[in-house]
Amino acid sequence: ETGVTQSPTHLIKTRGQQVTLRCSSQSGHNTVSWYQQALGQGPQFIFQYYREEENGRGNFPPRFSGLQFPNYSSELNVNALELDDSALYLCASSLRQGASEQYFGPGTRLTVT
Amino acid sequence: GQQLNQSPQSMFIQEGEDVSMNCTSSSIFNTWLWYKQDPGEGPVLLIALYKAGELTSNGRLTAQFGITRKDSFLNISASIPSDVGIYFCAGPPYNQGGKLIFGQGTELSVKP
Repeated sequence: ETGVTQSPTHLIKTRGQQVTLRCSSQSGHNTVSWYQQALGQGPQFIFQYYREEENGRGNFPPRFSGLQFPNYSSELNVNALELDDSALYLCASSLRQGASEQYFGPGTRLTVT
Repeated sequence: GQQLNQSPQSMFIQEGEDVSMNCTSSSIFNTWLWYKQDPGEGPVLLIALYKAGELTSNGRLTAQFGITRKDSFLNISASIPSDVGIYFCAGPPYNQGGKLIFGQGTELSVKP
């Protein structure tokens, strides 16, 4: 069974640029959630995707957007990057919509300079 | 909004000692999850609890779902160096789908 994978591992971007992060869910899981984890903090929920549609959103501005594809993989897009967007971005998959148990990937470390 | 408060924030213990940490909320949760995160890695699910009063073990780890449904506890027995990491409690707020909120974490250091 393949776990959650994310790419890239690390990324450095300049303020104002755009970034796309990618996630492949654990096999058999149809729901993907994205989290932002600032240094020294717990993960903060960005949004969740199920059946290729956004299914719940946290307190993040519209410049954070996402996609889910028919194979359940997902992308997180962030436009107009700000310095405060520097964080570890985590993707988590779950067996079904509404399932509490979420399984995380290793994350993408984004640094905005 | 809802918050989960974990204590202690950090612990420094000797190998072989037992560890206890807890998580409290201002509102009721129907599910409690405990995760461990190693540096540079994503959180790994350790234990899931679904019922008030439930006591569940995973090897040397034991977690309990508090009777009030506003707290949960994690115990680690006979700690070993690989227990080092940050432990997070998490849970889904009522009626908010698959969103999880996390505590601030308890950082555990184990001295050999």
